[in-house]
Amino acid sequence: GIQVEQSPPDLILQEGANSTLRCNFSDSVNNLQWFHQNPWGQLINLFYIPSGTKQNGRLSATTVATERYSLLYISSSQTTDSGVYFCAASSGGSNYKLTFGKGTLLTVNP
Amino acid sequence: NAGVTQTPKFQVLKTGQSMTLQCAQDMNHNSMYWYRQDPGMGLRLIYYSASEGTTDKGEVPNGYNVSRLNKREFSLRLESAAPSQTSVYFCASSEALGAGDTEAFFGQGTRLTVV
Repeated sequence: GIQVEQSPPDLILQEGANSTLRCNFSDSVNNLQWFHQNPWGQLINLFYIPSGTKQNGRLSATTVATERYSLLYISSSQTTDSGVYFCAASSGGSNYKLTFGKGTLLTVNP
Repeated sequence: NAGVTQTPKFQVLKTGQSMTLQCAQDMNHNSMYWYRQDPGMGLRLIYYSASEGTTDKGEVPNGYNVSRLNKREFSLRLESAAPSQTSVYFCASSEALGAGDTEAFFGQGTRLTVV
């Protein structure tokens, strides 16, 4: 099945800094999603982005499907951005089951 | 619109006890999934249901059974709980592949401890 790798595993920022999280995947995808798991454990949908670029406020994401990677950009980080960011993907054909990366633990300090 | 609802939110079981985790979605999605999350790891697929009446094993199915009761509901059963099943369990739903895959939505999770 598809392999999903995220980097870096941990990231510590000062409030106001910008960051880029990376997700590499091993096969063509028909679904790629970014999630934020908040300190209470809830998984928040950030982006559904099998290809292209999307923006939502301070967050944006780009997926380059032909090169098998996706990037999540966080600008002007806030303490509420802290938590684990997961990338998840499913490969082509009839496979719609998401495979998750191990996540990036982001800590934003005031 | 509640999305995906899981019950219970927390549960403590003794080794050997059984229990059923309930999941319901109100988005009229065809596909539903059960994942588990262990410390330091991403989510791993236990079972999934592509559509009402079908279920299939995922990456870590041992020790679990599932039932797709109807289009809305998908339950996960632990017949004889073991400490290795201590985890956070997430239910999810998405639209089945037709023209293409669609976004998956997750419930709030069930934190299960087996002692």
